[in-house]
Amino acid sequence: DAGVIQSPRHEVTEMGQEVTLRCKPISGHDYLFWYRQTMMRGLELLIYFNNNVPIDDSGMPEDRFSAKMPNASFSTLKIQPSEPRDSAVYFCASRRVAGPSKGNEQFFGPGTRLTVL
Amino acid sequence: QKEVEQNSGPLSVPEGAIASLNCTYSDRVSQSFFWYRQYSGKSPELIMSIYSNGDKEDGRFTAQLNKASQYVSLLIRDSQPSDSATYLCAVADTGRRALTFGSGTRLQVQP
Repeated sequence: DAGVIQSPRHEVTEMGQEVTLRCKPISGHDYLFWYRQTMMRGLELLIYFNNNVPIDDSGMPEDRFSAKMPNASFSTLKIQPSEPRDSAVYFCASRRVAGPSKGNEQFFGPGTRLTVL
Repeated sequence: QKEVEQNSGPLSVPEGAIASLNCTYSDRVSQSFFWYRQYSGKSPELIMSIYSNGDKEDGRFTAQLNKASQYVSLLIRDSQPSDSATYLCAVADTGRRALTFGSGTRLQVQP
């Protein structure tokens, strides 16, 4: 099975520009998570979806961030306008459907390294 | 505020030794516990999950859970240089499907 797919892998942009990060979860997974990782704050949850519906967006830092999941195989995280403090690695993860191991295991994509100049 | 605490390290062990990584968590309703390995510049990789008190073994890895003490650990036997990475402890409760991560412990296995 293909793992979680993210694009782009690297993004360099200038302050004020719009940035869109993309994620394709593992087929059959019913939860999708967006995380951000920085040296200072570690790995932080931004938002997660269940069956394409946003469940908890309390980690989204401010209104400049938005996320959508129009279907079960695609999600986007948008930053508009971007700021230098948004520079981080953004990970998408998906969770397997409940199985014998109680099904809370999450699998991460390769991440998008965002640099805002 | 749910917290997951880990010693940042680095934890340095010689090749062939047992590496012991520890994690404490603050939320008593936590039900699921995970260890992820993250190599520099890579994404977190799930290596162990544990749900019940006691030990769970998988190859060279053993996860230990003590819910009364709110403590979870990871033992790596016969440590190899390729085990050198940051190990992230993660915790979830049954209601909230998202994970809360610790800041990670950096492990260095010396050849």
